[in-house]
Amino acid sequence: NAGVTQTPKFQVLKTGQSMTLQCAQDMNHNSMYWYRQDPGMGLRLIYYSASEGTTDKGEVPNGYNVSRLNKREFSLRLESAAPSQTSVYFCASSAGGAAGNTEAFFGQGTRLTVV
Amino acid sequence: AQSVTQPDIHITVSEGASLELRCNYSYGATPYLFWYVQSPGQGLQLLLKYFSGDTLVQGIKGFEAEFKRSQSSFNLRKPSVHWSDAAEYFCAVGAWYGNKLVFGAGTILRVKS
Repeated sequence: NAGVTQTPKFQVLKTGQSMTLQCAQDMNHNSMYWYRQDPGMGLRLIYYSASEGTTDKGEVPNGYNVSRLNKREFSLRLESAAPSQTSVYFCASSAGGAAGNTEAFFGQGTRLTVV
Repeated sequence: AQSVTQPDIHITVSEGASLELRCNYSYGATPYLFWYVQSPGQGLQLLLKYFSGDTLVQGIKGFEAEFKRSQSSFNLRKPSVHWSDAAEYFCAVGAWYGNKLVFGAGTILRVKS
């Protein structure tokens, strides 16, 4: 029972480089989320996808793009990394759907450092 | 849009003492409410949730929380804290529509022996 799987677990980028964080869930969930976690800021929502085929901006979308590739996968792309994007990134999923069930299940996180 | 406030950034309690972590939310309709716990270097684990019904909900590890609509609060409690409870705790509110889940800034719990 894998749940939510994120790759990679750690990454160091140089300023201006690009990369994609991958996330996959095996719970047949409708909704998926990307958060970043910074000390004292809690988890801030970057983008979310309420259902396959839809994506919406969260609180801090600037500098990021997302793709809901299919129901299982939701990727986060940094086109031109900046030191301000140094953070721990979490992917999550929830059943969602008409009932609005937002109980989220989290991956183990990706620790990204931009130098 | 929904929002969550956790007024206490750090709390220190003695082992065996009672604990209450505060959470206030803002949302125009009946919310989904959650408490999550995060141990250092780990992901988030769900402690408990409120969707509807009984306003006092029980969770794992001996935690409970009470939903008070009049105060827009969902405070987390534990009668007797153990050293292993030291962690960061997050309150979150989910929306009925749009499936958006928003977190508070977190409260770091330290337990002293």
